[in-house]
Amino acid sequence: GESVGLHLPTLSVQEGDNSIINCAYSNSASDYFIWYKQESGKGPQFIIDIRSNMDKRQGQRVTVLLNKTVKHLSLQIAATQPGDSAVYFCAEGEAGNMLTFGGGTRLMVKP
Amino acid sequence: GAVVSQHPSWVICKSGTSVKIECRSLDFQATTMFWYRQFPKQSLMLMATSNEGSKATYEQGVEKDKFLINHASLTLSTLTVTSAHPEDSSFYICSAREGAREAFFGQGTRLTVV
Repeated sequence: GESVGLHLPTLSVQEGDNSIINCAYSNSASDYFIWYKQESGKGPQFIIDIRSNMDKRQGQRVTVLLNKTVKHLSLQIAATQPGDSAVYFCAEGEAGNMLTFGGGTRLMVKP
Repeated sequence: GAVVSQHPSWVICKSGTSVKIECRSLDFQATTMFWYRQFPKQSLMLMATSNEGSKATYEQGVEKDKFLINHASLTLSTLTVTSAHPEDSSFYICSAREGAREAFFGQGTRLTVV
């Protein structure tokens, strides 16, 4: 079936650097994408979302980029901090249907 | 963002007993709730989707008689793991959404069956 996957299972960055987490999706009908952050032992926390009629959306220190041509989604975190260390999941949805989650990328921030 | 409260955070139970997990939306009407389970270092696997007042729709491979879901109100859904066994030990997470808006997650429940 359709799936969402991630290129890198683990990403290690230096504190203060920018982080980029990538996600590939396969359902071309998906029109809604979300990035979630999950810390150990906790439920996923909403970070930022983007709809398919946009290619970029910015939040506080985070930016999501959507490339529908190659079905690629990325999350950019500026000035990465130790508190950003977590597993990040991308998720895709179609017309209000349930979200499908990718496998997750672990972000490790080195002090 | 909206708040979804899940209770309990952690539960240990004996094999053969049943455990109920609650998921509440505190500041919005959860027309749809979702239940997931997550094994260590793995992604979330959807178990079932429930709409308020309707029977839950279970994903393939999920036993509906073992994982009972009730969504009787717009603010509460429960997942009951019946006759729990050690292999049911997992992290169970609910999420809720109002209409077609983004889903918000509870903090998860760690179930350990001994």
